[in-house]
Amino acid sequence: SQQGEEDPQALSIQEGENATMNCSYKTSINNLQWYRQNSGRGLVHLILIRSNEREKHSGRLRVTLDTSKKSSSLLITASRAADTASYFCATDATSGGSNYKLTFGKGTLLTVNP
Amino acid sequence: EPEVTQTPSHQVTQMGQEVILRCVPISNHLYFYWYRQILGQKVEFLVSFYNNEISEKSEIFDDQFSVERPDGSNFTLKIRSTKLEDSAMYFCASSRTGWGGSGEQFFGPGTRLTVL
Repeated sequence: SQQGEEDPQALSIQEGENATMNCSYKTSINNLQWYRQNSGRGLVHLILIRSNEREKHSGRLRVTLDTSKKSSSLLITASRAADTASYFCATDATSGGSNYKLTFGKGTLLTVNP
Repeated sequence: EPEVTQTPSHQVTQMGQEVILRCVPISNHLYFYWYRQILGQKVEFLVSFYNNEISEKSEIFDDQFSVERPDGSNFTLKIRSTKLEDSAMYFCASSRTGWGGSGEQFFGPGTRLTVL
């Protein structure tokens, strides 16, 4: 898979359920960030997890990072219709001097049905 | 809460014309970025900028592209001679730190560029 690939590509759940999205990457990273994008709109920063962290929480969001498997997951608990959006993970690599750019995946389209 | 702003929200131009996309990063941020997203595709890195010079650029960022920080607040992306394939949403981002990892990058709402 490419750097920062999310799965599933699409996820449809009912309001109140939990949503889990996964991200895999290929190279060593400094940080991994999750973003949300409503249709046709900008990217909203959700959470950053550093390579030496394993889990991080922010409100209803829980992010895990497994550097040995080069993967991360984003869990949204007690989902709401307003959580409907595309979710992207983005990584910045430690190698090749690429300390500055983020590499994004294709995203998971989450639909929360009321 | 401070945010990144971008103008215009939508720009329509004819092929071959020059366009300038404008961004005002968050005021105490030191690192600035441009990304683009072609409809239905991934967000792609274009360029990063720090201390009044380009830190890194992608293969997309060819001689037709340039960036500038003309004053203490604005950060601009210029496309000298637009092509049809430049049609995309262009996002500006900024971060407070950059070394050893980009830190949290905060994105603006984007400028949708349509080249006819």
